[in-house]
Amino acid sequence: GAGVSQSPSNKVTEKGKDVELRCDPISGHTALYWYRQSLGQGLEFLIYFQGNSAPDKSGLPSDRFSAERTGGSVSTLTIQRTQQEDSAVYLCASSPGGALDEQYFGPGTRLTVT
Amino acid sequence: RKEVEQDPGPFNVPEGATVAFNCTYSNSASQSFFWYRQDCRKEPKLLMSVYSSGNEDGRFTAQLNRASQYISLLIRDSKLSDSATYLCVTNAGKSTFGDGTTLTVKP
Repeated sequence: GAGVSQSPSNKVTEKGKDVELRCDPISGHTALYWYRQSLGQGLEFLIYFQGNSAPDKSGLPSDRFSAERTGGSVSTLTIQRTQQEDSAVYLCASSPGGALDEQYFGPGTRLTVT
Repeated sequence: RKEVEQDPGPFNVPEGATVAFNCTYSNSASQSFFWYRQDCRKEPKLLMSVYSSGNEDGRFTAQLNRASQYISLLIRDSKLSDSATYLCVTNAGKSTFGDGTTLTVKP
């Protein structure tokens, strides 16, 4: 079946611009996660959705970052007024049930802020 | 101290070797555990879940020691294709990933 998809796969933007990253989870998966990964570094948790609600936003690094999920499916991560330190790969994952289940990752969006 | 600690390596082993990775975690409320592998510039992929009784999948064996709060991954008869970064994950209502252990298998 179809896996997690993310778009765009690559995004180059100028410092100060806003960007939107999209994630389509596996159909029927109720939980959705956003992470970011800088080159050579580990995964940094950003936010977790259960259905449309976000019980854990603790990882969002600043108020420039926001995310929403609609219809219990697609999610968008928005970064406002991008900074160079936002450059990273943004990974989305979904899991079938609750927060204890295994996660399946999308291929990521590579964001470069110039 | 990080909530999940892994030896970053790198581990460089010859083909056919047996290699073991450990991962320690600090949250005693952790309830589920996994190993993922991540190839260079790719997304993490689920390798296996880890159960208290231990579990095996071909050349891979995972163990959980709740008392000492660590999980392990054993790879037997390693192949060139096993070269990757291995991430351990603990879950206490929120997933916490280790930073990974890099394995390079050489001919």
